[in-house]
Amino acid sequence: DQQVKQNSPSLSVQEGRISILNCDYTNSMFDYFLWYKKYPAEGPTFLISISSIKDKNEDGRFTVFLNKSAKHLSLHIVPSQPGDSAVYFCAASVMNYGGSQGNLIFGKGTKLSVKP
Amino acid sequence: DSGVTQTPKHLITATGQRVTLRCSPRSGDLSVYWYQQSLDQGLQFLIQYYNGEERAKGNILERFSAQQFPDLHSELNLSSLELGDSALYFCASSVDPQNPTDTQYFGPGTRLTVL
Repeated sequence: DQQVKQNSPSLSVQEGRISILNCDYTNSMFDYFLWYKKYPAEGPTFLISISSIKDKNEDGRFTVFLNKSAKHLSLHIVPSQPGDSAVYFCAASVMNYGGSQGNLIFGKGTKLSVKP
Repeated sequence: DSGVTQTPKHLITATGQRVTLRCSPRSGDLSVYWYQQSLDQGLQFLIQYYNGEERAKGNILERFSAQQFPDLHSELNLSSLELGDSALYFCASSVDPQNPTDTQYFGPGTRLTVL
């Protein structure tokens, strides 16, 4: 059973507009969430993360929002640029006993296309 | 460039064969992770090593094994290969998995095709 779900396989937006990528999770024990971006023929690249003690984290054009009660997080990209066209993966982990990071559980990804 | 290198880039082999995938972590990173990405699937965690010792195991098949050497590079061995093993295999590395916000940096992957 998938613990991290990205229900939209693809998303198309116009350059300059906002891109909103969504992610739902089922395990209420997850306490750390990440977004990775992947271009073809490359490995995933870390984009932004958020701890469960926060509900928002911002880094330049990228903002991640966490709604723990809904078990939902989203990545906002404003403004979107053609270079943002890639597959975006949501990932989550549970802190291990002792404080170390647990294994990352990834969603299946959403392919974002930003049209000029 | 993440600083994580993986060889080979592509590998084509036949069912029943055995292959070895290699990963060199970023300079200074002690932990190595292996992931499998099959068609239309997210990345599935296979196994993690930290400073030469196995740290965590995911859904890794018994036909698969891995190790991390004293120079910190890692190898993933896949044996008795089946058609379903065809996938992208990614290696990632990180500095300190003891840190709950540790970031994993991924290599470019090895595409394995089993015919």
